[in-house]
Amino acid sequence: DVKVTQSSRYLVKRTGEKVFLECVQDMDHENMFWYRQDPGLGLRLIYFSYDVKMKEKGDIPEGYSVSREKKERFSLILESASTNQTSMYLCASSQLVPDTQYFGPGTRLTVL
Amino acid sequence: AQKITQTQPGMFVQEKEAVTLDCTYDTSDQSYGLFWYKQPSSGEMIFLIYQGSYDEQNATEGRYSLNFQKARKSANLVISASQLGDSAMYFCAMREGRSGSARQLTFGSGTQLTVLP
Repeated sequence: DVKVTQSSRYLVKRTGEKVFLECVQDMDHENMFWYRQDPGLGLRLIYFSYDVKMKEKGDIPEGYSVSREKKERFSLILESASTNQTSMYLCASSQLVPDTQYFGPGTRLTVL
Repeated sequence: AQKITQTQPGMFVQEKEAVTLDCTYDTSDQSYGLFWYKQPSSGEMIFLIYQGSYDEQNATEGRYSLNFQKARKSANLVISASQLGDSAMYFCAMREGRSGSARQLTFGSGTQLTVLP
């Protein structure tokens, strides 16, 4: 079974704090993705990575950065959290082929 | 233009009945993939079924089947014999380009399915 885990289910942070969201997959997948999900806006891609140390911007990268130092781990960083980054964050991973994305349980982040 | 359109914000179905969730897509690529995911209230996105653009047969996975009509650009999800545990949000998604091209998924806005006892 594919297993994607995220470091926290719920997180509360203050405006201006640096926030790290961690994602780990145990299936040796090449690709990893970070999405945010907001009511009425659906899922939007923030960043993805197709290899260690490689990253590509998604649709809404502003205010975020990522790090992939090891194949199994993909971190999303909010350099200075703002209230408009309050959201559900979903991590996913996939092989190259087939490229079905498997998701983690999500992190509900609240920025006060 | 929306790449993935799900026109049913909410649907109700009686337990043990079949239900069809609509999805239409828009792409100029010849090679693409279509996915359906289920999201229960717990929040996790669960992969259900996949259809490749060159697949001639409709995909099936247990009680799930995908009614793929390429000319109409539709990829409807059919759930047979609905169960109470099927109550969830359902998302249609598309990957443009061939599998292995590390392309992102584009998601529809989702359909909230409620199964009635």
